[in-house]
Amino acid sequence: KAGVTQTPRYLIKTRGQQVTLSCSPISGHRSVSWYQQTPGQGLQFLFEYFSETQRNKGNFPGRFSGRQFSNSRSEMNVSTLELGDSALYLCASSELASLFDEQFFGPGTRLTVL
Amino acid sequence: KQEVTQIPAALSVPEGENLVLNCSFTDSAIYNLQWFRQDPGKGLTSLLLIQSSQREQTSGRLNASLDKSSGRSTLYIAASQPGDSATYLCAVRGGGSEKLVFGKGMKLTVNP
Repeated sequence: KAGVTQTPRYLIKTRGQQVTLSCSPISGHRSVSWYQQTPGQGLQFLFEYFSETQRNKGNFPGRFSGRQFSNSRSEMNVSTLELGDSALYLCASSELASLFDEQFFGPGTRLTVL
Repeated sequence: KQEVTQIPAALSVPEGENLVLNCSFTDSAIYNLQWFRQDPGKGLTSLLLIQSSQREQTSGRLNASLDKSSGRSTLYIAASQPGDSATYLCAVRGGGSEKLVFGKGMKLTVNP
């Protein structure tokens, strides 16, 4: 089975722009979660989707949004980019939305905001 | 609020040593604990998942144990190799949160 894939792998944007990141989960997995990783804050949870519905949301401003499609693929959008949004954005998938499921991560999208 | 701590933040050892990596968490009401490995600039690779009802899990040279009551987990790496050099992260689910809560990680360097 192919693993979790994320596109693009690298992005450079300027302040004020918006960006869309994409995540394709492992085939058959229906739950997708997004995390932000920075050197200072470590890994922080953004949101989780299951069956096209957001199940959980972390403590991020409304500029961060996401959605999930019927094929379980997910997108994350960040509007009005700030310098502090520079980070590695990681997507994880699991079979269901069970709290006991193992999470599998993709390679990440490195976003640089200038 | 669940907090996860990994100490030390970095460790450098010669090849061949047996290693113990520590992880502690503040709320013992967890569903499970997962150990990950992260290579520089890359994503996370899942190493081991321990459910709350389990005491340990093994995969090859890796063995992870869980002591829920004391809020601790250890990852044991036998006969370390230079290829084991990476950052190791511990994450728990539960303890008041449905999301994975991560430690800051421990950067391991195994010298040939």
